[in-house]
Amino acid sequence: EDKVVQSPLSLVVHEGDTVTLNCSYEVTNFRSLLWYKQEKKAPTFLFMLTSSGIEKKSGRLSSILDKKELSSILNITATQTGDSAIYLCAVPSGNTPLVFGKGTRLSVIA
Amino acid sequence: EPEVTQTPSHQVTQMGQEVILRCVPISNHLYFYWYRQILGQKVEFLVSFYNNEISEKSEIFDDQFSVERPDGSNFTLKIRSTKLEDSAMYFCASRRSEIYEQYFGPGTRLTVT
Repeated sequence: EDKVVQSPLSLVVHEGDTVTLNCSYEVTNFRSLLWYKQEKKAPTFLFMLTSSGIEKKSGRLSSILDKKELSSILNITATQTGDSAIYLCAVPSGNTPLVFGKGTRLSVIA
Repeated sequence: EPEVTQTPSHQVTQMGQEVILRCVPISNHLYFYWYRQILGQKVEFLVSFYNNEISEKSEIFDDQFSVERPDGSNFTLKIRSTKLEDSAMYFCASRRSEIYEQYFGPGTRLTVT
């Protein structure tokens, strides 16, 4: 059974801190790994990673995949209160439905 | 920017009633999905739909559930006889093709009393 495990499950930081969120996966036929941000409702897409070692960056967020270690990290630098959310990691399974991890709940306090 | 839309945003129904949740995927997308998230739990896959038929479904998607694309834009999830444990947030998602990411709608919160 395909599986995604995220750590930590929750994290509280102060504004300006840098955070690293972890995701590890077990999937039969790996194609990609996706990161989403979930605030009040829908997961919103952040990154899709397919190749090991190539960093994807968007503003203060960046992510990298390590296929050898079956894992990915999501970094957020200079955190702001607006970064408070649940960050979800997911991998496509079977004919591409996503298997999600439980998420990391990030709280950024002023 | 185009987005996935869902209606209603919140639906309250009594146990045993039928509900239909509606989604309008992004217009040039070909793959459609329903997921659900019970409060405090993981997002779970229900069903995927491509080329006017179900391409994959999970164990959750039993005979009580059905999906339909009645016209060129809407994608619906029907629950025939709701149970208390169907209370959850239901998300629709779509994507253009297999190599692209899935985009999620804002969800419908279903409350079964």
